[in-house]
Amino acid sequence: DVKVTQSSRYLVKRTGEKVFLECVQDMDHENMFWYRQDPGLGLRLIYFSYDVKMKEKGDIPEGYSVSREKKERFSLILESASTNQTSMYLCASSDFLAGGPGTQYFGPGTRLLVL
Amino acid sequence: QKEVEQNSGPLSVPEGAIASLNCTYSDRGSQSFFWYRQYSGKSPELIMFIYSNGDKEDGRFTAQLNKASQYVSLLIRDSQPSDSATYLCAGGGGSEKLVFGKGTKLTVNP
Repeated sequence: DVKVTQSSRYLVKRTGEKVFLECVQDMDHENMFWYRQDPGLGLRLIYFSYDVKMKEKGDIPEGYSVSREKKERFSLILESASTNQTSMYLCASSDFLAGGPGTQYFGPGTRLLVL
Repeated sequence: QKEVEQNSGPLSVPEGAIASLNCTYSDRGSQSFFWYRQYSGKSPELIMFIYSNGDKEDGRFTAQLNKASQYVSLLIRDSQPSDSATYLCAGGGGSEKLVFGKGTKLTVNP
């Protein structure tokens, strides 16, 4: 079974803090994704990575950065947390599939509250 | 802008009935479609995927794809209260990214 884990289930931070969210997958998948999910807005892609040290902006990258130093680990960084970044953050991974996309498998999510 | 549209619901069906969830997509280049189930407060989990026109069955679930009409559906037979969740439709093609719909909330009443 594919397993995607996220470092925290719940997180409370103060405005202006630097926040790190970590995601680890154990299936040797090429691709990893960070989404946020808000009521009424659905899943929105923040960043994705198709290889180590490679990244591509998604639909809403502003205020976020990412790091992928190892294939199994993909980190999302909030450089200076703001209240409008309060959300559920979901990490996903998928294998490369010719003609793409492959099935995405999700981690349990991190519910972040920024005060 | 590539879009996947779903009726947000809520869709309410009695236990034992067939629940029909529908999805349309704007990108004719989309080749692969996925249905995910998401319980409240949990992350999405894959129910099934479909790549070819026609029907694909897996237990009580049947996915249907009509590329000419840009339409995907999920039928749940013999619906159970445990099927109550939000169902996300997603599609993509030519890249690793998926476009997700906003989901349809299904309630199965005992």
